[in-house]
Amino acid sequence: DIQMTQSPSSLSASVGDRVTITCRASQSISSYLTWYQQKPGKAPKLLIYAASGLQSGVPSRFRGSGSGTDFTLTISSLQPEDFATYYCQQSYTAPLTFGQGTKVEIK
Amino acid sequence: EEQLLESGGGLVQPGGSLRLSCAASGFTFSSSAMSWVRQAPGKGLEWVSVISGGGGRTYYADSVRGRFTISRDNSKNTLYLQMNTLRAEDTAVYFCATGGASYNSGWANYYYGMEVWGQGTTVTVSS
Repeated sequence: DIQMTQSPSSLSASVGDRVTITCRASQSISSYLTWYQQKPGKAPKLLIYAASGLQSGVPSRFRGSGSGTDFTLTISSLQPEDFATYYCQQSYTAPLTFGQGTKVEIK
Repeated sequence: EEQLLESGGGLVQPGGSLRLSCAASGFTFSSSAMSWVRQAPGKGLEWVSVISGGGGRTYYADSVRGRFTISRDNSKNTLYLQMNTLRAEDTAVYFCATGGASYNSGWANYYYGMEVWGQGTTVTVSS
């Protein structure tokens, strides 16, 4: 199975900060990488597909990049509604696997 | 509006069974592969299973293979997860979601992620 490793596991940031979350795959997954946002008690929300494709309705401050084994989710200017947990997930091959999550908290 | 609504969760004893349902609306259900994803209390997301649009192809995580069965009834726009021989470690919120993977000579190379999610249904396995 392909292992997905996110870093950091958590971070504290202020409104307006630029935030970067990284995701590393245990083998090359080309660009078959999706990013989700999850708020407590809610279902995940798809933010980025195909490593860099912005899902319809998602603010442009969210940006995904990378290919192969190393990927990045960047939030250019953190907003109050962005405090949540973020997950990466590979769909290069089954079984689909998620990263362990990165919790973005208010500083 | 595309919507998914899970039901069927509850409290079950270890070794017991439960069937989850996921009712779909607002999109062409039969054209969409469907996935189940679970989240244990305080933990991350774990993908469980996927089924093709026509229902003929399925895939399971190792942790549930042989105990869980995914199926669908396209005439009812409903996805199912039959869970047998339940264990304490199956305790989780179970989400259904569109997509996740597609079958084309294997479950691989799917760009679009899981776009639409249900609100989740809680399964608790405990004596």
